[in-house]
Amino acid sequence: TQLLEQSPQFLSIQEGENLTVYCNSSSVFSSLQWYRQEPGEGPVLLVTVVTGGEVKKLKRLTFQFGDARKDSSLHITAAQPGDTGLYLCAVPIKRNEKLTFGTGTRLTIIP
Amino acid sequence: NAGVMQNPRHLVRRRGQEARLRCSPMKGHSHVYWYRQLPEEGLKFMVYLQKENIIDESGMPKERFSAEFPKEGPSILRIQQVVRGDSAAYFCASSPGTRDEKLFFGSGTQLSVL
Repeated sequence: TQLLEQSPQFLSIQEGENLTVYCNSSSVFSSLQWYRQEPGEGPVLLVTVVTGGEVKKLKRLTFQFGDARKDSSLHITAAQPGDTGLYLCAVPIKRNEKLTFGTGTRLTIIP
Repeated sequence: NAGVMQNPRHLVRRRGQEARLRCSPMKGHSHVYWYRQLPEEGLKFMVYLQKENIIDESGMPKERFSAEFPKEGPSILRIQQVVRGDSAAYFCASSPGTRDEKLFFGSGTQLSVL
């Protein structure tokens, strides 16, 4: 069983539309990270959320950590082709130890 | 300010050969992690090392796989007697080992076993 389930697994939408992807678990975490990975490259950290209910914005991307710190969402406004990629959530199992990654959402923005 | 450097970017091996994947962490980073990614999947943790020590190898197969991070030089992930199922992208990440758990990833090594 996966510790972190991401949905949807695949999402393909038109440029300019809005979208939300989710990262869910039954466990509570001290923090949660979102990464974006482009084809042929390693993941790049987008944001870390720490406090239950926290909302962070990165230009057109809005990240929210659930009140109970078990889940998170990523909302993209007016999607652009440059947003295309694999979005991964990740949590540290212990401080300073390995990150466990979710199953990923593969996002394609159609021009 | 170089990032995490992995080489080679692409590695082709025949079944039974050995594969050596190298990772130089970011300057000042003493913690290295190796992850494996299969097509259309997320990253699976393999091993976590600090200089000269293996901290957690719970994700690494017991047979044929080994990893090291010597006092001098890059971290090496070694796969002996490769099989087709070893074909994957292998990513290395590093961190400074402070309270911040941010990882910085390399561009990966794509291993293809013929």
